[in-house]
Amino acid sequence: AQTVTQSQPEMSVQEAETVTLSCTYDTSESNYYLFWYKQPPSRQMILVIRQEAYKQQNATENRFSVNFQKAAKSFSLKISDSQLGDTAMYFCAFMLETGGGADGLTFGKGTHLIIQP
Amino acid sequence: DAGVIQSPRHEVTEMGQEVTLRCKPISGHDYLFWYRQTMMRGLELLIYFNNNVPIDDSGMPEDRFSAKMPNASFSTLKIQPSEPRDSAVYFCASSNQGAIEAFFGQGTRLTVV
Repeated sequence: AQTVTQSQPEMSVQEAETVTLSCTYDTSESNYYLFWYKQPPSRQMILVIRQEAYKQQNATENRFSVNFQKAAKSFSLKISDSQLGDTAMYFCAFMLETGGGADGLTFGKGTHLIIQP
Repeated sequence: DAGVIQSPRHEVTEMGQEVTLRCKPISGHDYLFWYRQTMMRGLELLIYFNNNVPIDDSGMPEDRFSAKMPNASFSTLKIQPSEPRDSAVYFCASSNQGAIEAFFGQGTRLTVV
């Protein structure tokens, strides 16, 4: 079974600062995907960024980037130039690669990120 | 596309009553997932379907929980009888064969009193 650990229950930074959210995971599998989801107060789950484990290059989506360390089983999210709208719960998630099919997601407990004006 | 549609958005029911949550996946998606979110346990996968067939129901907590997918555009999660500890937000999500991203509905907040 896979596990995902987010060790920071809550973080608070000033607007425009850079913040890094931590995530570690445990698996014996080699092929998998990692995700960061954002859940604002509306409770909608929004995909922020994803990383394929077979790719060495770290994924980037505008102000969001990841630091994927496969050997260390670490997958951190960096948010640059943070904005008030980034205030939300952030969940790290793991999904096994099943030969083209989908699989269920295993989530961490989440980090509540607060961006202060 | 309207995205994944769940109904109702909120449900309040009395202990012992039957509760049915509904989900319409994105058209053309062949995977459908049910998740439960609680403060204590976070987000947990309950069950998922591929082409309307249940693939993994190991996350269903008890026999009181059941899920069906009678066709490609509709799924239900039923709790009978409901208990206060079933209070949670229930999410439905769907995805495509070969695609990676799962798209989530808005969730149903269930309160059992």
